[in-house]
Amino acid sequence: GAVVSQHPSRVICKSGTSVKIECRSLDFQATTMFWYRQFPKQSLMLMATSNEGSKATYEQGVEKDKFLINHASLTLSTLTVTSAHPEDSSFYICSARRQATLNTEAFFGQGTRLTVV
Amino acid sequence: RKEVEQDPGPFNVPEGATVAFNCTYSNSASQSFFWYRQDCRKEPKLLMSVYSSGNEDGRFTAQLNRASQYISLLIRDSKLSDSATYLCVVLNQAGTALIFGKGTTLSVSS
Repeated sequence: GAVVSQHPSRVICKSGTSVKIECRSLDFQATTMFWYRQFPKQSLMLMATSNEGSKATYEQGVEKDKFLINHASLTLSTLTVTSAHPEDSSFYICSARRQATLNTEAFFGQGTRLTVV
Repeated sequence: RKEVEQDPGPFNVPEGATVAFNCTYSNSASQSFFWYRQDCRKEPKLLMSVYSSGNEDGRFTAQLNRASQYISLLIRDSKLSDSATYLCVVLNQAGTALIFGKGTTLSVSS
């Protein structure tokens, strides 16, 4: 069964509104979770690394004020897309690894397909 | 040079064919490598890790060439169900995040 749960799976929102996406690790504690974005026919692009109890680390070109990340507990990270615009429409996926060892598999949430109209 | 590069394909092969995918990575300090599979509009799922000695799992064989910074995936006796996008994935130097290639699309037909 899934070990990382992401919600919602699909959301349609109006331009200018904010959308919150939740990512939960179900049977392990994840001090670090990752948020990716995937546009059609493109690869997964790492947006940010979410660290429990501290600020997220954003990749170059990702606006931290637009994509708010909160990692308040060891099992929950949230991504809020603020003032969403049509160009933010994408597939957002979170992931977490059980342990920080080299060959540990990463588990992915089911993804959230965001459409901004 | 991009961190992880793959031939995007698509690879269109008949059932039973053998197909090979290649991937190169730019950071020689990378230590961990994986192949993930992604079906259309779904999240990626681990297919196999790639070890220096090479490893095999049924019809799938993965190999790593550190000197050339090159990873490969070989699929033998292709099945219709193998149709998907195969993602070459490298753990970044800090060991903190997975970096994905763009993926290679495979289509197996009967």
